[in-house]
Amino acid sequence: GEDVEQSLFLSVREGDSSVINCTYTDSSSTYLYWYKQEPGAGLQLLTYIFSNMDMKQDQRLTVLLNKKDKHLSLRIADTQTGDSAIYFCAETGNAGNMLTFGGGTRLMVKP
Amino acid sequence: DAGVTQSPTHLIKTRGQQVTLRCSPKSGHDTVSWYQQALGQGPQFIFQYYEEEERQRGNFPDRFSGHQFPNYSSELNVNALLLGDSALYLCASSPRLDTGELFFGEGSRLTVL
Repeated sequence: GEDVEQSLFLSVREGDSSVINCTYTDSSSTYLYWYKQEPGAGLQLLTYIFSNMDMKQDQRLTVLLNKKDKHLSLRIADTQTGDSAIYFCAETGNAGNMLTFGGGTRLMVKP
Repeated sequence: DAGVTQSPTHLIKTRGQQVTLRCSPKSGHDTVSWYQQALGQGPQFIFQYYEEEERQRGNFPDRFSGHQFPNYSSELNVNALLLGDSALYLCASSPRLDTGELFFGEGSRLTVL
């Protein structure tokens, strides 16, 4: 079955770049997603990338996809304290919009 | 424009009881999915409803059932509650069936004692 893995924790200083990594197993994934969850809240879609793309940039966010290695990363430039949250990567495989999420990476931004 | 709304926000039940959670999708959305998020883990897909029918189902037992109403709102029912059912239950809506661009509610936190 599908499996999505993420590192548990990342700590950065305000103003630095953050890179959150994710690996997945389902090579049939058409889209891969990044969601953000703040304390006590639901998930918010940050960005997504189509599987035939290598990179997508959206303001401070850059998504890199290495389809050969099934590796996805999210880079946040000029990280702010408001970026502190849990970040989830997710893929749909060939199952429509049934998302399989990773366990989440908790990002802590120190002033 | 109201986003996805869920009720109740918190509830406590005992083992063996039954619970019903409710969800109103974002305006203009006709597809509703439910996810279970255990503490410290990522959300897990329970099922998805479209046109009042269950379209996809994750690896959850039949104790988990749902319904979608003509106004696109949805309910999640869990029977014979177990301690392991304690989790945050998230409802997500989308404007069509074939997208992973989901809009999530803030969830219903269920505690089973």
